[in-house]
Formats: sequence, C-alpha cells, structure tokens
Amino acid sequence: EAGVTQSPRYAVLQEGQAVSFWCDPISGHDTLYWYQQPRDQGPQLLVYFRDEAVIDNSQLPSDRFSAVRPKGTNSTLKIQSAKQGDTATYLCASSLHISYEQYFGPGTRLTVL
Amino acid sequence: QQQVRQSPQSLTVWEGETAILNCSYEDSTFNYFPWYQQFPGEGPALLISISSVSDKKEDGRFTIFFNKREKKLSLHITDSQPGDSATYFCAASRAGNTRKLIFGLGTTLQVQP
Repeated sequence: EAGVTQSPRYAVLQEGQAVSFWCDPISGHDTLYWYQQPRDQGPQLLVYFRDEAVIDNSQLPSDRFSAVRPKGTNSTLKIQSAKQGDTATYLCASSLHISYEQYFGPGTRLTVL
Repeated sequence: QQQVRQSPQSLTVWEGETAILNCSYEDSTFNYFPWYQQFPGEGPALLISISSVSDKKEDGRFTIFFNKREKKLSLHITDSQPGDSATYFCAASRAGNTRKLIFGLGTTLQVQP
C-alpha cells in the first residue's frame, strides 16, 4: 500500500513569492491534515479536512494561507506572499475518520530568504 | 503555553541500555497518546500509542507507561540500538469527533555503539 506522497520535497523562495504544496493521501483515507513543523519543534496543525469539507482551519493564517481538497482526495496548500517566518517543513497526514492513527508524508521543506 | 511537554530535550544512551523518554500534559480531556519517531529529512512515523483506559502498552522493545492521575506518560526503549537514534514526539488527542493531534517539542535520542 502506497503511503502519503507530497511534492515538491524542497522549495526556496524570496519573501513575497507564492508557493503551492501538493499531497496525495493513502487510498481510502477520508481525513487529511496539513501541519507546519518549524525546525527543532513538533508538528503544529494548520487545517484538516474530512472528505472535501474543512473541519478545522482555526490555526491557518487566512490572510496568506489557503488549502483545498476539492474532490476529497488530493489536497493543495498555498502560501501567498511568503514571509521568512514561514520557513518550516510542511507535512501532510491522512487517516480514516474512525481512527486516531495519522500517517505522515515525507514533507516539503520550505526556505524563505 | 505548551499543552504537551516532553523531557529531556535530548538523551544519549549506550547500545543495549534502556532509554526513558518522558511526557506530561495538563488537559484532562486528552484520551489518546501516540508516540511518533522521526528521522532527519523524513516525516514522523507512528511508533506506538495508548488510550487513557490503559496504563501500559507494549510493542516489542517499546513500552508506554501511563499515569492518568499524574497526567504523565513515558516511553521506554529497551535494548537500545544505534538505529533507534531519532527524534521522538509525544502527542495527544481529545475524545469526541475531533482528531486533532497536539505534539510536544520532542526528545532527540542518540544511541552510542
């Protein structure tokens, strides 16, 4: 069974540029999560979906971040006008809604210069 | 304020020794506690988990001890191997429909051969 896949694996931007991250969850998993993991810290939840619906986006900086999951499968996280403080690894995870077990992808390491 | 606390921040043990990683929390509504293992450049991988109705969970060389009254848990890694060198995250989730995981800052374990 394929795991969670993410692309790109790395991104380097200048401040003010935009970037998109893509996630393909484990087949059959209806719940998808996006986390931000700053260097030397634990993952912090940004947003999560059940199917195509946003369940919780309370930690998503809505002025510059957006996330969609239009068909309830793949998802895209976008940062408009990136800031140096956005430098972190962005992790995608998926699960079945009946389970607490979340499975993570390898992440996208973002550096904003 | 960190809702899930981990100690020590880093730990070095010799091969064959038992490594003990500690975790504590404040919110009594937390009822599910997974531990994740993360190697550099990879996403976190679910290692072992426990629910608040149990006081011990064992999986091979990995054991969680849980003290609900004191709101503490610990991960014991027996017969530590150099391949166990990684960062370990304790996380917590609340009962109910939410599946949000709240992570600690992690403990970096180094196993010396």
